[in-house]
Amino acid sequence: GAVVSQHPSRVICKSGTSVKIECRSLDFQATTMFWYRQFPKQSLMLMATSNEGSKATYEQGVEKDKFLINHASLTLSTLTVTSAHPEDSSFYICSAREGQGYGYTFGSGTRLTVV
Amino acid sequence: AQSVTQLGSHVSVSEGALVLLRCNYSSSVPPYLFWYVQYPNQGLQLLLKYTSAATLVKGINGFEAEFKKSETSFHLTKPSAHMSDAAEYFCAVTTGGYQKVTFGTGTKLQVIP
Repeated sequence: GAVVSQHPSRVICKSGTSVKIECRSLDFQATTMFWYRQFPKQSLMLMATSNEGSKATYEQGVEKDKFLINHASLTLSTLTVTSAHPEDSSFYICSAREGQGYGYTFGSGTRLTVV
Repeated sequence: AQSVTQLGSHVSVSEGALVLLRCNYSSSVPPYLFWYVQYPNQGLQLLLKYTSAATLVKGINGFEAEFKKSETSFHLTKPSAHMSDAAEYFCAVTTGGYQKVTFGTGTKLQVIP
């Protein structure tokens, strides 16, 4: 089946630094990728949607200058948390979809801790 | 607009008992519905999905769900709970095409030995 690889699984960084999270579709071409944030004991909040080769569409309230999303190829999307602060600590999950199908495949998530 | 409501943030069942996790949806157009499972510190795994074919959908690990349009429901069931079923379960809806997926708030399932 479809597999999405997300790295790193855990990262600890110092306040003020930037962190990049990668999301790769291993055996299919992901025309659309989604980035979610999950707060403790809460549901997934969609942060942005990205289509290959075009700018990401951010959800209301998500700072596009803080959460930089790049979808440069059909198999790779990256989320960069810039100038991270402790309040950015969270679980980030990517999801990839091929075409208009309803097969949304999720990555294994990244636990970001900003100290 | 689309939304899902999961009744009960926590559900406890005895091992071997019936599992019933409730999900009601709201959608202005025919929906596509999903159930996902999440284990601690992991991503989401698709259990099953409804995409306008059969209303009774069978998924992995013995789970199934029935789409009931009249009740706007898509409840998840499993006849006999296993300890390994303890996890958090999310119901989700989309209206197809390039529309985004909206998740419910999740139900944490506890299985008591």
